[in-house]
Amino acid sequence: AQTVTQSQPEMSVQEAETVTLSCTYDTSESNYYLFWYKQPPSRQMILVIRQEAYKQQNATENRFSVNFQKAAKSFSLKISDSQLGDTAMYFCAFDSGAGSYQLTFGKGTKLSVIP
Amino acid sequence: NAGVMQNPRHLVRRRGQEARLRCSPVKGHSHVYWYRQLPEEGLKFMVYLQKENIIDESGMPKERFSAEFPKEGPSILRIQQVVRGDSAAYFCASSLRQGDQPQHFGDGTRLSIL
Repeated sequence: AQTVTQSQPEMSVQEAETVTLSCTYDTSESNYYLFWYKQPPSRQMILVIRQEAYKQQNATENRFSVNFQKAAKSFSLKISDSQLGDTAMYFCAFDSGAGSYQLTFGKGTKLSVIP
Repeated sequence: NAGVMQNPRHLVRRRGQEARLRCSPVKGHSHVYWYRQLPEEGLKFMVYLQKENIIDESGMPKERFSAEFPKEGPSILRIQQVVRGDSAAYFCASSLRQGDQPQHFGDGTRLSIL
């Protein structure tokens, strides 16, 4: 069974600064997908970024980028130029691919952006 | 294009009552997934349905919980004789084909049990 671990229950960052959220996972699969989801106080689940394991290049979406280390099974999220609207819970999620349909989520990291 | 629609957003029930949660997938999507988020936790898979079929209900409690996705209408997650421990946010996601990623999530239903 796959597991996803987010070791930082809470983090804070000053507005305009950069913050990195950690995620590690355990799997025996080779072709899989990784995601970061944002859950603001409104409780929506918003996809922030995705990474396909077969791609060596780290995914980037505007101020959000990942550091994907396949051998280390690590998938961290970097948020640059943090904004107040980035305040939310962030969940790392794993999909084992090959037609699977279950997403496995970590317990989340609560990020607070401080003005 | 409407995304995944869940209703109600908030549902309050007393212990012993029934809760019915509805999910309308993205138009054209025939695969629906239900997840539960307990307080201070990540989402956990409950059940996967295609039109008129339950494909995988391995994450759903055996007692009191059931799900359906009829040929016409939304998918329904039904919880009978609710207990305090059922208080959670229930999310629905949909996809066009099995295994398509990312799944499109609805805004969730927050169930509170008095």
